[in-house]
Amino acid sequence: AQSVTQLGSHVSVSEGALVLLRCNYSSSVPPYLFWYVQYPNQGLQLLLKYTSAATLVKGINGFEAEFKKSETSFHLTKPSAHMSDAAEYFCAVSKGQAGTALIFGKGTTLSVSS
Amino acid sequence: GAGVSQSPSNKVTEKGKDVELRCDPISGHTALYWYRQSLGQGLEFLIYFQGNSAPDKSGLPSDRFSAERTGGSVSTLTIQRTQQEDSAVYLCASSSGDISWGYTFGSGTRLTVV
Repeated sequence: AQSVTQLGSHVSVSEGALVLLRCNYSSSVPPYLFWYVQYPNQGLQLLLKYTSAATLVKGINGFEAEFKKSETSFHLTKPSAHMSDAAEYFCAVSKGQAGTALIFGKGTTLSVSS
Repeated sequence: GAGVSQSPSNKVTEKGKDVELRCDPISGHTALYWYRQSLGQGLEFLIYFQGNSAPDKSGLPSDRFSAERTGGSVSTLTIQRTQQEDSAVYLCASSSGDISWGYTFGSGTRLTVV
């Protein structure tokens, strides 16, 4: 069965520092992988996705993620954190082939200090 | 509509009562999903509707939970004999049916069982 593990429920960084949020997945089929972001008191929005094209995926707000099949990872990075990046981030893997649901990780809360 | 609409936005109910949560997906989206978001638990998949196919109910936690989708559009999630552990935010999402595009989420219904 497909599953997602997000390492670290809370990550704290200083403004301007590198952001690294870890995601490992398990999937019996070639996965589609996603990162969603949830800002305080807002709904979830799609940050970026991997759908078997380029392994390095760029998303909104300067975030990117790299699909590494050998490591079954899809870590999210941003070179320089901004205060407005403080939010909860969710990694997700497709439940099966195209046309199925997503399985989400438990989320990582990112705090950014000045 | 322009987005996924959920109602009510907040619901407080007494233990043992039944509740109905409504989701109005984006017009033309054939796929509709229900998730439950609890603190520290991430997003828990509940049920998935795709067109006229039989729904994937594999995530429903007990037989007190049911959902239907009428006319391929609006969906209602029903929780019978509510328990305190049912307190959570219930999120609905819709998509074009091709998971590679990801989902659009609604703002959720916050359910509190007292």
